[in-house]
Amino acid sequence: DVVMTQSPLSLPVTLGQPASISCRSSQSLLHSDGNTYLNWFQQRPGQSPRRLIYYVSNRDSGVPDRFSGSGSGTDFTLKISRVEAEDVGLYYCMQGTQWPPWTFGQGTKVEIK
Amino acid sequence: EVQLVESGGGLVQPGGSLRLSCAASGFTFSNYWMHWVRQAPGKGLVWVSHINSDGTSTSYADSVKGRFTISRDNAKNTLYVQTNSLRAEDAGVYYCVRDDPGIGMDVWGQGTTVTVSS
Repeated sequence: DVVMTQSPLSLPVTLGQPASISCRSSQSLLHSDGNTYLNWFQQRPGQSPRRLIYYVSNRDSGVPDRFSGSGSGTDFTLKISRVEAEDVGLYYCMQGTQWPPWTFGQGTKVEIK
Repeated sequence: EVQLVESGGGLVQPGGSLRLSCAASGFTFSNYWMHWVRQAPGKGLVWVSHINSDGTSTSYADSVKGRFTISRDNAKNTLYVQTNSLRAEDAGVYYCVRDDPGIGMDVWGQGTTVTVSS
């Protein structure tokens, strides 16, 4: 199984400042079809998860452009250029390249300092 | 509007069973793979099971294999999971998740809560 490891697990951030979350996979997420199936999800308090990013760096419709994804192979990053109050919550990376199982990172809690 | 609405959760004794349902609307259900994902209280997301678009292929997490059965009724736009021999560690919110063809999981339902306790 592909193990997804996120860091940090807790991220206190000042409003307006940038934030960065790392996600590493135990195996390359580059699929033989040329795609890398690495998604990022946001889960606000009391809500269901919502996809932010797919294929490493593609933002979903309606996702603010302050969110960006990057990386390749086994190392990936989610960046928030300027954190806003509505960004508080849990962030998960997830791989869909080698399945089953589909696997998630442990989650990173973003909070305001 | 794409919508997934889960139901069927509740309190069950260890060893008991529940059938969870997920009603889909706003998209052509029969074109999409579907998943169940669990979130234990205060914990992260764990994939449970998947089914392909016509129901002919399924897969399960090792922790539920042999106890859970995923199915779908495309005529009713509904996804199911039959959960048997429930254990304390099966407790949590169960989310129904759509799989965007060629891309992966995208839309999540609001979840239904399963509590396993005597």
